[in-house]
Amino acid sequence: TQTVSQSDAHVTVFEGDSVELRCNYSYGGSIYLSWYIQHHGRGLQFLLKYYSGNPVVQGVNGFEAEFSKSDSSFHLRKASVHWSDSAVYFCAVRPNSGTYQRFGTGTKLQVVP
Amino acid sequence: GPKVLQIPSHQIIDMGQMVTLNCDPVSNHLYFYWYKQILGQQMEFLVNFYNGKVMEKSKLFKDQFSVERPDGSYFTLKIQPTALEDSAVYFCASSSTSNQDTQYFGPGTRLLVL
Repeated sequence: TQTVSQSDAHVTVFEGDSVELRCNYSYGGSIYLSWYIQHHGRGLQFLLKYYSGNPVVQGVNGFEAEFSKSDSSFHLRKASVHWSDSAVYFCAVRPNSGTYQRFGTGTKLQVVP
Repeated sequence: GPKVLQIPSHQIIDMGQMVTLNCDPVSNHLYFYWYKQILGQQMEFLVNFYNGKVMEKSKLFKDQFSVERPDGSYFTLKIQPTALEDSAVYFCASSSTSNQDTQYFGPGTRLLVL
């Protein structure tokens, strides 16, 4: 079964703290991995993606993600969060053989001042 | 940055009626998508569209659903007839041929079927 899972439904951190949002997948073959952010009541915004090369990819607003083939993971990290980072974060996977992205269930990040 | 527009932002409709959701994608994009999201939950893929044709559709894309983009105008999702379970937020997205996995999403249309 091909899946993309985000094990944490909610994560709460203080402003200035670091955060890691987890994403694991179970797809064989070549895949494209992405992260998106969704602020309340709005559409998704692209953060970053990975296909090959350096397993650590940099995105917008200080976000980065690291691909691990051995762990089947693509976790999203930020060194110091701001209150405006409060949102729902979605991990997405597209198999190289597929034409669309499959999204995880999302992780709601709450940044407390 | 590039913007995807969706019209209307909200729609309330009686069960059994037809509804058309409109999407104005990023101007030079050629891949178009519709997603369904219920109560802020998971984004579920419905259908994608390229070169005037449906590429793939999920099992959520029922026979009552149809998509088209006549003459390069709006990319539309039509539901005829609507059912109660169609109540959700529908998001349109588009991407370019050179960067298919960087999708730009619209703000969504909130559909309520009564």
